[in-house]
Amino acid sequence: DIVLTQSPATLSVTPGESVSLSCRASQGISTSIHWYQQKSNESPRLLIKYASQSISGIPSRFSGSGSGTDFTLSINRVESEDFSVYYCQQSYSLPLTFGSGTKLEIK
Amino acid sequence: EVQLQQSGAELVKPGASVKLSCKTSGYTFSNYYMSWLKQMPGQNIEWIGNIYGGNGGTGYNQKFKGKATLTVDKSSSTAYMDLSSLTSEDSAVYFCARHRVPYWYFDFWGPGTMVTVSS
Repeated sequence: DIVLTQSPATLSVTPGESVSLSCRASQGISTSIHWYQQKSNESPRLLIKYASQSISGIPSRFSGSGSGTDFTLSINRVESEDFSVYYCQQSYSLPLTFGSGTKLEIK
Repeated sequence: EVQLQQSGAELVKPGASVKLSCKTSGYTFSNYYMSWLKQMPGQNIEWIGNIYGGNGGTGYNQKFKGKATLTVDKSSSTAYMDLSSLTSEDSAVYFCARHRVPYWYFDFWGPGTMVTVSS
């Protein structure tokens, strides 16, 4: 199974700061990575597909990059509604797997 | 509007089975796959398997073979997951989420069903 390692586990930031969240795959997966946001007691919401493709209805401050084994989710000027947990998911091979998440919290 | 409506929370005894449902609306059920995913409290998300709404074809994560059985009822656009021989390790929130092959990302999710296994 492909292991996805997300870092950091927790990121403390002040609203208005810009941040980068990392997801590293245990083997090359091209651009088969997707990013989700999960707020407390809610289901995940798709933010970015295939590493960098935007999703309709998602604010433009969210962007993704990377290929191979290293991927980044960037949030430009974090807003209060962005404080939640972020997961990456790979679709390169079955079984589909998720990273352990990065919690974005208010400093 | 796409909607995935999941059944309510379950409290079940160890060794028992439970059947969860995911009723859909707002899209053509037979054109999409439905996956089921597990999230234990404070943990990350695990993919259990998926089922094609068109013909009921299934694929499972090896880890959940024998634990989960996926079925669909096309007439009501509903997906089901049976969980058997429940233990405390099965206590979790279970989500249904749709995707369209060959695009293996989940664009709509159900709200989740909490399953608690306790005597």
